[in-house]
Amino acid sequence: SQQGEEDPQALSIQEGENATMNCSYKTSINNLQWYRQNSGRGLVHLILIRSNEREKHSGRLRVTLDTSKKSSSLLITASRAADTASYFCATDGQGAQKLVFGQGTRLTINP
Amino acid sequence: DTAVSQTPKYLVTQMGNDKSIKCEQNLGHDTMYWYKQDSKKFLKIMFSYNNKELIINETVPNRFSPKSPDKAHLNLHINSLELGDSAVYFCASSPDPGRSYEQYFGPGTRLTVT
Repeated sequence: SQQGEEDPQALSIQEGENATMNCSYKTSINNLQWYRQNSGRGLVHLILIRSNEREKHSGRLRVTLDTSKKSSSLLITASRAADTASYFCATDGQGAQKLVFGQGTRLTINP
Repeated sequence: DTAVSQTPKYLVTQMGNDKSIKCEQNLGHDTMYWYKQDSKKFLKIMFSYNNKELIINETVPNRFSPKSPDKAHLNLHINSLELGDSAVYFCASSPDPGRSYEQYFGPGTRLTVT
């Protein structure tokens, strides 16, 4: 069954605003990852957060993880048109090599 | 420098045909994967190979057969194609099978079965 579920399914904001996407999952995990997929392209890894971490930063990205609630959020600050893409969370709750992806959040940044 | 490459990028074929998709990675990774992404963007793992050995085989029809001639290549052969096989297929690789690492994805192959 599907492990991760992103919320919202679609998000449209103005350039410069912050974008927040949420992910919920069902089983215990070792880590959670976020990926970006531009239209017609493969997925690109953004950030990995381990189960013993609560927050992680990478450039304009901030990821939080709450293992008690089995949820994570991805915040993109000062959004740019180039951030327009689908964003997926992936968890390893079913095994180290077996990443399970959610259906993604489609983010549109309007100029 | 292409890290994970797939060919072809687009594949249009008729029901009942047999087709193959090729994947190569030049990252020196031990583990390679095949994923299927459906029209709703849901991405699901199909197979995983570690150093040419099958380690994950999800509930996939046996019309799908992966083949790994060496650890840098993982090809996907599909027999007797059906309409429901239409999707985007992604190959990916990662460095260490024993731990959860980020995966590196190819550009995808859009398969359309008519």
